[in-house]
Amino acid sequence: GQQLNQSPQSMFIQEGEDVSMNCTSSSIFNTWLWYKQEPGEGPVLLIALYKAGELTSNGRLTAQFGITRKDSFLNISASIPSDVGIYFCAGRGYGGATNKLIFGTGTLLAVQP
Amino acid sequence: EPEVTQTPSHQVTQMGQEVILRCVPISNHLYFYWYRQILGQKVEFLVSFYNNEISEKSEIFDDQFSVERPDGSNFTLKIRSTKLEDSAMYFCASKTDYTGELFFGEGSRLTVL
Repeated sequence: GQQLNQSPQSMFIQEGEDVSMNCTSSSIFNTWLWYKQEPGEGPVLLIALYKAGELTSNGRLTAQFGITRKDSFLNISASIPSDVGIYFCAGRGYGGATNKLIFGTGTLLAVQP
Repeated sequence: EPEVTQTPSHQVTQMGQEVILRCVPISNHLYFYWYRQILGQKVEFLVSFYNNEISEKSEIFDDQFSVERPDGSNFTLKIRSTKLEDSAMYFCASKTDYTGELFFGEGSRLTVL
């Protein structure tokens, strides 16, 4: 089945640093999404990307949909302690009865104040 | 803001027991999903439901699992005879239409002893 590989698996950074994480797939996706999950909670949508090459920002977050449709990255600028959590990429392929999401393996982000 | 609500937040059960996890999707949403997340792992698709029937299911969703929309608001996941490996966080999600974005509930943690 479709798999999304996310890297790095974890990051431990100082407050104020910029962060970059990415997601790659062996197959093409028509939508890329980035979610954040905090302990004991469900994933919360951060950014959605719908077109190859699209670059979208949401506050300090910027994400891009790769030209090949097989990758995406998420950048967080000037990290703050509340950025702590697990970040998941998710992709949707073409078709399927309900256009389900496939999730990446996650990147754990820890921010030291 | 409308949200997906799930109950219970945590259930502990003995192996072999039946469990029902309940979800109230966002009221005008038409597509419903269950996802599972084993501790420390990625979020995995279980099943999608549309127009009062299962639309897609993963290989995880074997004959021990079933879903139901018994009325206009609830969406349930039943595990007929739980196994130790069913211990996980179960997330319900819903969306308005085929191309809409998924909104997740906060999850139900299932612990099978």
